[in-house]
Amino acid sequence: SQQGEEDPQALSIQEGENATMNCSYKTSINNLQWYRQNSGRGLVHLILIRSNEREKHSGRLRVTLDTSKKSSSLLITASRAADTASYFCATGSRDDKIIFGKGTRLHILP
Amino acid sequence: DVKVTQSSRYLVKRTGEKVFLECVQDMDHENMFWYRQDPGLGLRLIYFSYDVKMKEKGDIPEGYSVSREKKERFSLILESASTNQTSMYLCASSFLGSSRNEQFFGPGTRLTVL
Repeated sequence: SQQGEEDPQALSIQEGENATMNCSYKTSINNLQWYRQNSGRGLVHLILIRSNEREKHSGRLRVTLDTSKKSSSLLITASRAADTASYFCATGSRDDKIIFGKGTRLHILP
Repeated sequence: DVKVTQSSRYLVKRTGEKVFLECVQDMDHENMFWYRQDPGLGLRLIYFSYDVKMKEKGDIPEGYSVSREKKERFSLILESASTNQTSMYLCASSFLGSSRNEQFFGPGTRLTVL
């Protein structure tokens, strides 16, 4: 079952620019999470935002959540080559499972 | 740091073989999960377990079984491997409770079934 859907599917930007990825979902959630996956590796948890929060920051990451629109965005500021990866949103409900979207492939150009 | 390890990074098996994928976590997490990841399909949940000897089917359990005899270890079993089970397999763990259910992933096992 698919819950989150990321947009765009792929994004290429110059190093130093900001990268924005969006996630839309369909049903009510308890929290929304963002993960990063470097090529051929496991996923790494980046940030979790609860349904009663609107914005959260962690280093160069900024996440927003709009539950009325059922959408979230992930902003990476001052991008670096090391940010090249796939980014997934995942929605958490009342049980302990989370449902992942298909991801956005981010490529940072030198 | 949470550590989730998987028994193999790469595995090549023949059709019909029985395949065991092992996952171990060291953070005393109650929940453990097995996913497969395929291009264009994202991560799909195969099985998960919220306690020793407990298991629940995910979205695509057919052709798989699991075993959780100890809290730290969760095994995925392909009883008779088929070519359509060629995929990247990811194990994850998390604490019990939806308020802190961020998952910690292992490095993945890329399985090829010939």
